[in-house]
Amino acid sequence: DADVTQTPRNRITKTGKRIMLECSQTKGHDRMYWYRQDPGLGLRLIYYSFDVKDINKGEISDGYSVSRQAQAKFSLSLESAIPNQTALYFCATSGRLADAYNEQFFGPGTRLTVL
Amino acid sequence: AQSVAQPEDQVNVAEGNPLTVKCTYSVSGNPYLFWYVQYPNRGLQFLLKYITGDNLVKGSYGFEAEFNKSQTSFHLKKPSALVSDSALYFCAVDSNYQLIWGAGTKLIIKP
Repeated sequence: DADVTQTPRNRITKTGKRIMLECSQTKGHDRMYWYRQDPGLGLRLIYYSFDVKDINKGEISDGYSVSRQAQAKFSLSLESAIPNQTALYFCATSGRLADAYNEQFFGPGTRLTVL
Repeated sequence: AQSVAQPEDQVNVAEGNPLTVKCTYSVSGNPYLFWYVQYPNRGLQFLLKYITGDNLVKGSYGFEAEFNKSQTSFHLKKPSALVSDSALYFCAVDSNYQLIWGAGTKLIIKP
């Protein structure tokens, strides 16, 4: 089984709809991240969480919200989707709080299209 | 502000030739640097990292990277390219346990 899973893998929705993307990990990591990837822009950080009670905004948090339901689960919501949120979304995890400079492990991604 | 630059959008290399994918960085303090690879329709995979110590870092799939503090560079290298190395490569620098990412370089290896 994959260490970092994302659901759904693909989603097409309409403008104004609420969408939730889910991420689960079995790596026992404390740190979790949500990114979006757009062609030519690399990865941009949306939100990150260093433990269940810690939620932080990233570079591009406007229009998004997150929930850290448990150490292993980190969900991303688009309350009212708009077309420029069409992108590839990745969840990632990285290490325990006591660790330093760990690499991040990525899920397979969710391709979201907002019409 | 901390930043990473990958000056080449695309690099083309013939199979069997050495390859280099360039990365430069700007950080305050010690740099903690990473390389990742993304194959089509896949998530990113960690290749290697530099935290401290030897300037030449070896990683997965035969890749290595050379840290050069004076030139603020962390170029990814491989002595002999394979067609299967064709992918998108990202350089990143750690900033308080967040990664600042370069825009990526598409590597194309031609048979």
